[in-house]
Amino acid sequence: DVKVTQSSRYLVKRTGEKVFLECVQDMDHENMFWYRQDPGLGLRLIYFSYDVKMKEKGDIPEGYSVSREKKERFSLILESASTNQTSMYLCASRGTSYEQYFGPGTRLTVT
Amino acid sequence: AQSVTQPDIHITVSEGASLELRCNYSYGATPYLFWYVQSPGQGLQLLLKYFSGDTLVQGIKGFEAEFKRSQSSFNLRKPSVHWSDAAEYFCAVGSSGGSYIPTFGRGTSLIVHP
Repeated sequence: DVKVTQSSRYLVKRTGEKVFLECVQDMDHENMFWYRQDPGLGLRLIYFSYDVKMKEKGDIPEGYSVSREKKERFSLILESASTNQTSMYLCASRGTSYEQYFGPGTRLTVT
Repeated sequence: AQSVTQPDIHITVSEGASLELRCNYSYGATPYLFWYVQSPGQGLQLLLKYFSGDTLVQGIKGFEAEFKRSQSSFNLRKPSVHWSDAAEYFCAVGSSGGSYIPTFGRGTSLIVHP
């Protein structure tokens, strides 16, 4: 089975802090994604990556950056966390059949 | 641009009753369609997908969905709901024009009464 893990289930940070969210997949997938999920808004794509060192902006990239130095790892970075970035963050990977495999999510609270 | 509409924010059913969750999409060509389920506090899990072929698709946990091109719909059904089916359900559409990056609907929350 494909496994996607995220470094933290719950995270509390202060406004202005730099925040790293880590995601690791074990199926050698080339494509990886970061979403944020907010009530009533569904999943919104922040960034995705087709391969190592390659990244593309999604629908809401402002305030975020990403890093993909190794194929199995895709990191989301909040350079200076703000309260409006309080949300659930979901990582996913995708194989050749186009279906996505999701991690359990990180619930981030910025105070 | 592709888009997905899930018209029902909440659906309440009794255990044992049948279920239909609606999904409408907007895209010109044949899309790739997915249904995912999210249990409380968890990530999303794929229930089923449609790429081509038979328009009635069987998935896990007894779910099925039917692709109707004329109605631009991909509704999810289950003949008899179990209490453990209470969750959030997301429909998603991908297409070649969008590099198969899926667009998700806003979700339907299923509540199951005993």
